[in-house]
Amino acid sequence: NAGVMQNPRHLVRRRGQEARLRCSPMKGHSHVYWYRQLPEEGLKFMVYLQKENIIDESGMPKERFSAEFPKEGPSILRIQQVVRGDSAAYFCASSLDSNSYEQYFGPGTRLTVT
Amino acid sequence: SQQGEEDPQALSIQEGENATMNCSYKTSINNLQWYRQNSGRGLVHLILIRSNEREKHSGRLRVTLDTSKKSSSLLITASRAADTASYFCATDEDTDKLIFGTGTRLQVFP
Repeated sequence: NAGVMQNPRHLVRRRGQEARLRCSPMKGHSHVYWYRQLPEEGLKFMVYLQKENIIDESGMPKERFSAEFPKEGPSILRIQQVVRGDSAAYFCASSLDSNSYEQYFGPGTRLTVT
Repeated sequence: SQQGEEDPQALSIQEGENATMNCSYKTSINNLQWYRQNSGRGLVHLILIRSNEREKHSGRLRVTLDTSKKSSSLLITASRAADTASYFCATDEDTDKLIFGTGTRLQVFP
């Protein structure tokens, strides 16, 4: 059973470009979470999605950031017009259901904005 | 909001010694989890302890939870160089998301 997959593992973007980060949850998992980790810090919650629904986006910046989890395909975290402060590691996690508290994490995407 | 605060921020020990890390949190919880993160890598789930449990073991790991003090500890016995990593506690504010602490960086010298 493959774990949570994220791609790309590393992404370099110039200021003003768009970044698209993909996450495929574990097989059978329908709940996806995105977290951001700045250097030397813990993970910060961004958004929680189920298939075709955003359940909680209280950790998402109000502008430039969006997330989706379509019926088919991976979850996408999209950052428009990236700035240097967006440079971070972005982790995706999935869980079996809302009552299953164990979240399984992917390897992360390291975004560098130059 | 930052829920968990780990203590110490960094810990260096020799192989074979025990390592103890502590985590404090602010609000009531349903469960508390500990994760390990090797440098530049993703998080590995270590152990989950529910609010009605006081102690849990998994291999060389022992986790305690004191809900009256809102604190938890992670003990790694007979440490190995391969245990070198950052360790994070995470609590559930509700069923939606995990709130992570700032982490303890553990260095185990051979």
